[in-house]
Amino acid sequence: AQSVTQLDSHVSVSEGTPVLLRCNYSSSYSPSLFWYVQHPNKGLQLLLKYTSAATLVKGINGFEAEFKKSETSFHLTKPSAHMSDAAEYFCVVSLTFYGNNRLAFGKGNQVVVIP
Amino acid sequence: GAGVSQSPSNKVTEKGKDVELRCDPISGHTALYWYRQSLGQGLEFLIYFQGNSAPDKSGLPSDRFSAERTGGSVSTLTIQRTQQEDSAVYLCASRPREGRGNEQFFGPGTRLTVL
Repeated sequence: AQSVTQLDSHVSVSEGTPVLLRCNYSSSYSPSLFWYVQHPNKGLQLLLKYTSAATLVKGINGFEAEFKKSETSFHLTKPSAHMSDAAEYFCVVSLTFYGNNRLAFGKGNQVVVIP
Repeated sequence: GAGVSQSPSNKVTEKGKDVELRCDPISGHTALYWYRQSLGQGLEFLIYFQGNSAPDKSGLPSDRFSAERTGGSVSTLTIQRTQQEDSAVYLCASRPREGRGNEQFFGPGTRLTVL
């Protein structure tokens, strides 16, 4: 079975301060991991993905995430929050095994950026 | 190029009526997914189509829900005898081919409201 845990359903950060969104996964196999962002009334957009290459992954809009197998984590970070980062963020684990391509989504982090 | 499109964008219906939601995936994408996004619940997997293989229907919440994909392209999600708890945003996503690292491309969703 696979699952994704995102703590802190609501996260408030001040503009210009670092952003940290935590994601832990459980999977019996080596997973692919993604972070998606959803702005209000918009569709889901891929921020970045890990697929067993470099463990530090850089994405769009200055975000990056580090895959740590020993900790089963894939936390998302950004050095300095911008007002446009206010959105909901989803951590996703993907596993392909014998044709099973189901994805598991975390419950999301709603990020509020305070001016 | 064109992304994933969904129609209608909004649907309001009365309890007990049937509804059909449509998804047009990106041309050439072989995998197609339906998800349901309820307030505070994150994304819930519903069904997955891959090429000509039998769909993975394990996420459908009840036998009132069904989906088909004609000609390996357009998909329709049907909800019969709608209930108020069916109110949610229904998202469709497509993926270009099998593989652990291939991201899913999401449509804008259909917001269903059951009165």
